[in-house]
Amino acid sequence: AQKITQTQPGMFVQEKEAVTLDCTYDTSDPSYGLFWYKQPSSGEMIFLIYQGSYDQQNATEGRYSLNFQKARKSANLVISASQLGDSAMYFCAMREGQRARQLTFGSGTQLTVLP
Amino acid sequence: DTGVSQNPRHKITKRGQNVTFRCDPISEHNRLYWYRQTLGQGPEFLTYFQNEAQLEKSRLLSDRFSAERPKGSFSTLEIQRTEQGDSAMYLCASSFQGISGSYNSPLHFGNGTRLTVT
Repeated sequence: AQKITQTQPGMFVQEKEAVTLDCTYDTSDPSYGLFWYKQPSSGEMIFLIYQGSYDQQNATEGRYSLNFQKARKSANLVISASQLGDSAMYFCAMREGQRARQLTFGSGTQLTVLP
Repeated sequence: DTGVSQNPRHKITKRGQNVTFRCDPISEHNRLYWYRQTLGQGPEFLTYFQNEAQLEKSRLLSDRFSAERPKGSFSTLEIQRTEQGDSAMYLCASSFQGISGSYNSPLHFGNGTRLTVT
């Protein structure tokens, strides 16, 4: 079974509007962390935001926020006030367990911001 | 903070040749990871080091692949007898993991080495 599922291969959003990128995950471990990364066409992976399984509040970092619904095992990324520079591939990733080893990534969502 | 550095950025090689990539992590980071990414996919885990010890290897890492981190600083990834299926972006990442363990430390990635096997 896929650990991380991103069901939207591509998304379009108008500049200055908000957009939600979906991510669902699968784990039986009560301790885990969820991460979102941005990968522009230049190729570098840029860390955006983190949410821990025990965190009571949804994580926020500037224009990025994470809509964490633990019972549904979803961790959707919300980007507010989209900018042209937000056009990129976005990956959701998970690290499981207290021993905290590698991150497992989803297949990504290509976001295009339209002027 | 100079970030994670990878060399070379691009490598074109003929099938059957050996290639070696280098990764210099962020200096205070004790963990170093290698991932492989093919077009349109997310990164796939290959292996990681805690200091100089290689603690985990993915089944994706065939016996043609070997990674080292001899002094717990830089790392090398070697692919022997390259095949066309090895063509991919090879990403290196580093993080700091304390003694108590923590799952909230993000991985910091380099710009990758793009390998093309002809």
